[in-house]
Amino acid sequence: DAGVTQSPTHLIKTRGQQVTLRCSPKSGHDTVSWYQQALGQGPQFIFQYYEEEERQRGNFPDRFSGHQFPNYSSELNVNALLLGDSALYLCASSRGQVSGYTFGSGTRLTVV
Amino acid sequence: QKEVEQNSGPLSVPEGAIASLNCTYSDRVSQSFFWYRQYSGKSPELIMSIYSNGDKEDGRFTAQLNKASQYVSLLIRDSQPSDSATYLCAVNFDNTDKLIFGTGTRLQVFP
Repeated sequence: DAGVTQSPTHLIKTRGQQVTLRCSPKSGHDTVSWYQQALGQGPQFIFQYYEEEERQRGNFPDRFSGHQFPNYSSELNVNALLLGDSALYLCASSRGQVSGYTFGSGTRLTVV
Repeated sequence: QKEVEQNSGPLSVPEGAIASLNCTYSDRVSQSFFWYRQYSGKSPELIMSIYSNGDKEDGRFTAQLNKASQYVSLLIRDSQPSDSATYLCAVNFDNTDKLIFGTGTRLQVFP
């Protein structure tokens, strides 16, 4: 039973570029949430996808966008990268409400 | 603004001792509470969930919830050096499957 899979594991981008991160949820899970975790901080909620729709969004600018596909996998896109976007990006999947998340191993994004 | 607060630590305890980690949250009607463990450079791993007032035990871990006082705690008995990690408290405030995390408490267990 595969867990949550994220790709790539590491990424280095230049300021102003665009990036796409990918996530495949755990088998049986239908909800995908994305988090940004800066060094020494807790994960910050970016948005959540369910039934291919953005269900909730945190306090992140429109440069952060996403998508969920019919097979429940998801993408996170970040445009016009800033140095401050450097962080660990975590994908978490779940099924049903209030069940707790299963996290992927994350994508470490470095913006230079 | 929904908030989850934790002492960032580090909390240092000797091997074999009980480690006590605390978390407070801002909304009295919150329903679900979770503790995650995160090793350095790794992703968070769910270790406990609790939904009702009182204690919930799982092996060496005990979660305690007091909704009236708006706090949740995690006790780790017989602490081991392998328990050294950051412990994240997460709260579901509005039953929509969105979790808000605290900043985490770093635990150090020394031999």
